[in-house]
Amino acid sequence: DGGITQSPKYLFRKEGQNVTLSCEQNLNHDAMYWYRQDPGQGLRLIYYSQIVNDFQKGDIAEGYSVSREKKESFPLTVTSAQKNPTAFYLCASSIGTEQFFGPGTRLTVL
Amino acid sequence: EDKVVQSPLSLVVHEGDTVTLNCSYEVTNFRSLLWYKQEKKAPTFLFMLTSSGIEKKSGRLSSILDKKELFSILNITATQTGDSAVYLCAVGVNSGGSNYKLTFGKGTLLTVNP
Repeated sequence: DGGITQSPKYLFRKEGQNVTLSCEQNLNHDAMYWYRQDPGQGLRLIYYSQIVNDFQKGDIAEGYSVSREKKESFPLTVTSAQKNPTAFYLCASSIGTEQFFGPGTRLTVL
Repeated sequence: EDKVVQSPLSLVVHEGDTVTLNCSYEVTNFRSLLWYKQEKKAPTFLFMLTSSGIEKKSGRLSSILDKKELFSILNITATQTGDSAVYLCAVGVNSGGSNYKLTFGKGTLLTVNP
């Protein structure tokens, strides 16, 4: 089954802790993206990567970090520097201009 | 800064009504405009538009792009309760070299009542 997987589905963390969200795809897509969605808002781009070992900041990169060591994987770390980390996080991948989304991770920081 | 504005932000209709959702944009290096439907979780792809004036259709949904006026509409005819969702408009731009990214609007929340 081809697709994009994100884990976990729900994640709870205490304030001040770093947390890493997983995103894996077996679609052989070159590009991968991380978005954040808050209630009543559209998706805002955090980081994106067009090829392995290269990535660019999106519109709201502060307090986040990523790595792209393998084509299939693009993990996102939410650091303690992110002031409002509670949100729904979506990962996407694309081979052209259409992006395909994973099921998302809902992060709650207590 | 790239901007995508959707209107209305929310809409309540009765089954059978026809609705028109709007998306305007101001971006640099336009490549495409995409519409997505988001029910509970991940957005699902509806349409991608790159050329002005060519309508794309899928069942009761259709969409068209006007690159001169920087505008797109999504039409849904004979709405059903299953059409209730957030509809997201996104504009794809070249962001330097071979880099490409999407900028999303805030979405239109459509509620279809029986």
